[in-house]
Amino acid sequence: ETGVTQSPTHLIKTRGQQVTLRCSSQSGHNTVSWYQQALGQGPQFIFQYYREEENGRGNFPPRFSGLQFPNYSSELNVNALELDDSALYLCASSLELYQETQYFGPGTRLLVL
Amino acid sequence: QKEVEQDPGPLSVPEGAIVSLNCTYSNSAFQYFMWYRQYSRKGPELLMYTYSSGNKEDGRFTAQVDKSSKYISLFIRDSQPSDSATYLCAMRGTGGFKTIFGAGTRLFVKA
Repeated sequence: ETGVTQSPTHLIKTRGQQVTLRCSSQSGHNTVSWYQQALGQGPQFIFQYYREEENGRGNFPPRFSGLQFPNYSSELNVNALELDDSALYLCASSLELYQETQYFGPGTRLLVL
Repeated sequence: QKEVEQDPGPLSVPEGAIVSLNCTYSNSAFQYFMWYRQYSRKGPELLMYTYSSGNKEDGRFTAQVDKSSKYISLFIRDSQPSDSATYLCAMRGTGGFKTIFGAGTRLFVKA
């Protein structure tokens, strides 16, 4: 086990709704990255937070937003859900920036109907 | 064209076989190259990473990077049924925050 936990494990929402996914990083890990993994695809980078500030963002619209808290937990919020948002959402933590060793959580599987 | 191309397979081999997994990429700025293993219903787990070109060995696993050809490989020796999983290549540039993953290759090792 990596020590990174995510909740909930599964979630079903309808189009247009909003969702909040949660991640608890390993203690002391200052960097958290969020990824979207569609079925049969590799993870796609959404954004990264370092010490509670957004450090970089992938090609995702602004309705994807995040927060990182001082207690090494973080959130991914998605507004105005679309059918294509159905995917496995993964968070990954690392000690500092630009480290190759990222520890992934088990993911939250989101289904949008 | 995707930045990272990886054959999704599936790849099926008998136990004990040598497995070769590969990725090609287009961005010459990539300097860090990683291989992850992902079991069903789990998050990816880092197997190996290599900086720039060269080889790296860890037990039954060997990672190779050929930057001139923009081609990376992972070899698994004496494959075991427990190696059955999806293998993802990943890469990023120096100082970059964004890790780019391949689509993953599904591997089945038959007992």
